[in-house]
Amino acid sequence: EVQLVESGGGLVQPGGSLKLSCAASGFTFSASTMHWVRQASGKGLEWIGRIRNKGNNYATTYSAAVKGRFTFSRDDSKNTAYLQMNSLKSEDTAVYYCTRGGDGLDYWGQGALVTVSS
Amino acid sequence: QSALTQPASVSGSPGQSITISCTGTSSDVGGYKYVSWYQHHPGKAPKVMIYEVSNRPSGVSNRFSGSKSGNTASLTISGLQAEDEADYYCASYTSSDTVLFGGGTKLTVL
Repeated sequence: EVQLVESGGGLVQPGGSLKLSCAASGFTFSASTMHWVRQASGKGLEWIGRIRNKGNNYATTYSAAVKGRFTFSRDDSKNTAYLQMNSLKSEDTAVYYCTRGGDGLDYWGQGALVTVSS
Repeated sequence: QSALTQPASVSGSPGQSITISCTGTSSDVGGYKYVSWYQHHPGKAPKVMIYEVSNRPSGVSNRFSGSKSGNTASLTISGLQAEDEADYYCASYTSSDTVLFGGGTKLTVL
């Protein structure tokens, strides 16, 4: 059974940092490109970026909204992807999903809620 | 980069067919075959319903179909069922090597 489980969400003050983890099982994680998508309350889905696999040099791409503040990484030995979020703003408050790029974005986690507030 | 354009809402009665449009530009929808559609029930993980414009993943009902003409992609759901009520999002690969989602469409089954 395929599973993606996000963890690390919570409440953080503006300007603060938070790191999300996405633990994968049930598929070949090391061969996969992992994407991150977020959804603010009452808003639509927003793609924030991806990290490719080793064969593609772990290349990363970021949306303009998070570039320079967020960093994607992965540990293939642990089947885990990470999202490091720095300089957080109130507008970063959202549910964050990790998802695999396959036939479309074919596997999704349940999401982790990040709330940026003082 | 602005979101792809979708109608905010559509509705239909059980058994009817509905179509949701997704309009972009030649730099995204019109330029690539990588258009996908997602069903999202609030509080659950999104689910891919169509990938590469018109391909249906294993396990997705054949009541769901996708197409594209120029810069506009479409998702058609035939034989509407109550469980189809959800938010639907299109997404496209872009010339900037990013992925762009539509603003989402709320489907109401009357």
